[in-house]
This record gives sequence, structure tokens and C-alpha cells, in this order.
Amino acid sequence: DTGVSQNPRHKITKRGQNVTFRCDPISEHNRLYWYRQTLGQGPEFLTYFQNEAQLEKSRLLSDRFSAERPKGSFSTLEIQRTEQGDSAMYLCASSPGEQYFGPGTRLTVT
Amino acid sequence: DQQVKQNSPSLSVQEGRISILNCDYTNSMFDYFLWYKKYPAEGPTFLISISSIKDKNEDGRFTVFLNKSAKHLSLHIVPSQPGDSAVYFCAAGFSGGYNKLIFGAGTRLAVHP
Repeated sequence: DTGVSQNPRHKITKRGQNVTFRCDPISEHNRLYWYRQTLGQGPEFLTYFQNEAQLEKSRLLSDRFSAERPKGSFSTLEIQRTEQGDSAMYLCASSPGEQYFGPGTRLTVT
Repeated sequence: DQQVKQNSPSLSVQEGRISILNCDYTNSMFDYFLWYKKYPAEGPTFLISISSIKDKNEDGRFTVFLNKSAKHLSLHIVPSQPGDSAVYFCAAGFSGGYNKLIFGAGTRLAVHP
């Protein structure tokens, strides 16, 4: 399967811990996006890469959040000092045009 | 400030009938609109899109209609099938979808036999 993959699928962490998620986009897609989805809402944009360049960041992305895409391939999203409000589904998408989403990483902060 | 709104959280339709899902937007600068379908424990799956230069786009059982003056779009599914039961998200963006998408809150469609 050559779709977008995300790891881990689920993460449970204690408040204050750091977590890192990984996204592997479809190989020929140079654009990569991160979104966050909470219960009852649609995905909310977090950040966007074209190749290795981070071109846009949402105000939702506080200074505890950082995203990277070294070499323009896979991407990581790190959350430092997690808070209960960070509990959500974190979705990655890649595109040449229409955005194709991965299955997401569900984060639960206890 | 919700720029994309799906005012019906749920819709129930009988198999074989038409399903109509609605979406309203507030930003007249949006020029690209998409519908995604989401099953539990999966990411959203792209369904169909429409550019603002068109008012209709069709793909099999799925048709999207765009009314720019009303800032309204709708997704028609005909005939509806039980496998169409999912959450449907409307999304809007700029420049052919190359940038961020703004999503509505979703409508849960249930197609029953």
C-alpha cells in the first residue's frame, strides 16, 4: 500500500511528557500537511511543508509544538510538555493537489 | 469564526434514495471546495472536488453543486447505499487545494435498508 502512513496509531501519555509522531507521505508528493481533529469537529490546519520548507504555521501551533520534514520525505510532529487539551487525533496529509490523509495518531493525555 | 459550516450534524436516508449534504461558507475568496468521507478509525478519504469556475461536478453516484452567490455547496449521493454510511466533511481552500483546507464539523450520514 502506498498511501500516507502514520505512527504510532495510538499514544497515551501523562501530562508534562513529550511525544513525537511520524508521518510518511505518498512518495511522489512534495506537499505535506498536519491537522488536528477533536471530537465533533472537522480537522483543523496546523502546519504545511513544501519539500523540506515549512511554509505556514497555524496560531494553533503553540511554542510547545514543532514540526520538521528533513530531506523533504517523512515528517515528525513533536509536542513538548503535553497538556490534557492536546488530546486529539493528529492527521497528516500529502498532496500534489487534492490532499490524501493518513489514518491519524490518536493522542490521549492523562 | 467558523468559515465553513455544516449545520446538519446527522442525516438518515433509506437505501436507494438520494442523500443531500449541505455546506455553507463565509469567505468569498475560497476558490476550491472538496468533500471527504470518513469511516471510524480511518483518516478522511477524498471524495470529490469542485473549482469555483464550475457550478457542478459529477463522479459516478456523487455530484457536488456550487452556488457562489449563496456561498453554498451540496453533495448529492444517488442512489444511496449502506456502505455510504460515514461522516462527510466539507472543506474549502485556495488555489486548487495546494494550501491549507478549512473543514466543516461534518455530517454523519446513515443509510439504512
